Amino acid sequence: QSALTQPASVSGSPGQSITISCTGTSSDIGGYNYVSWYQQHSDTAPKLIIYDVNIRPSGVSNRFSASKSGNTASLTISGLQAEDEGDYYCSSYTSSSSAIFGGGTKLTVL
Amino acid sequence: QMQLQESGPGLVKPSETLSLTCTVSGGSINNYYWTWIRQPAGRGPEYIGRIYSSETSSGPINYNPSLKSRVTMSVDTSKNHFSLKLTSLSAADTAVYFCARVFTDGNSWYYDAFDLWGQGTMVTVSS
Repeated sequence: QSALTQPASVSGSPGQSITISCTGTSSDIGGYNYVSWYQQHSDTAPKLIIYDVNIRPSGVSNRFSASKSGNTASLTISGLQAEDEGDYYCSSYTSSSSAIFGGGTKLTVL
Repeated sequence: QMQLQESGPGLVKPSETLSLTCTVSGGSINNYYWTWIRQPAGRGPEYIGRIYSSETSSGPINYNPSLKSRVTMSVDTSKNHFSLKLTSLSAADTAVYFCARVFTDGNSWYYDAFDLWGQGTMVTVSS
């Protein structure tokens, strides 16, 4: 069970939009509409920012949006702000009824 | 407001067994799914397992297939905590270990979504 594939890093300037991809297989992302995204700042636990492919939990900014097509999910952050800098991880439900995470993407706000 | 706190040894020897506990405060442990997740330095999180707690029993239990032979999870409702045992440790098990709660919107469980996390505890496997 290999980790979901994410780009190692992305960057953008304040106000711009960026998109992070997350690629899996038909045994995880492609087989279920259960994808989540997390934001993690240094030395803290991940924070859930998207669940059920594209739903934001209460209190999460509407600058975060997400989608899925086939075996690939995507997270878009619009109107980039300095506070968005950090690591982002995707996760998916799997055919073994467990969860699998991506390797993570480091977002740098220039 | 519910909070989670991991506890356990920070250093464990190779081939030994790791035992961690996650104490739930500010609410009942019952009627939720609970998980253990670990994160090696500089890498993505890794799901370890999931357990359900109710007033009458614990389970069902789900383990990561790659760890299943070495993992045991349990719940103690009287102490409002759940636990992890991981056997036959090696350096590859060195990581920050988190306990977390599976997210529910009241209608469905989202087994890949974790909305409440402990602060994490660093576990180093070394002689």
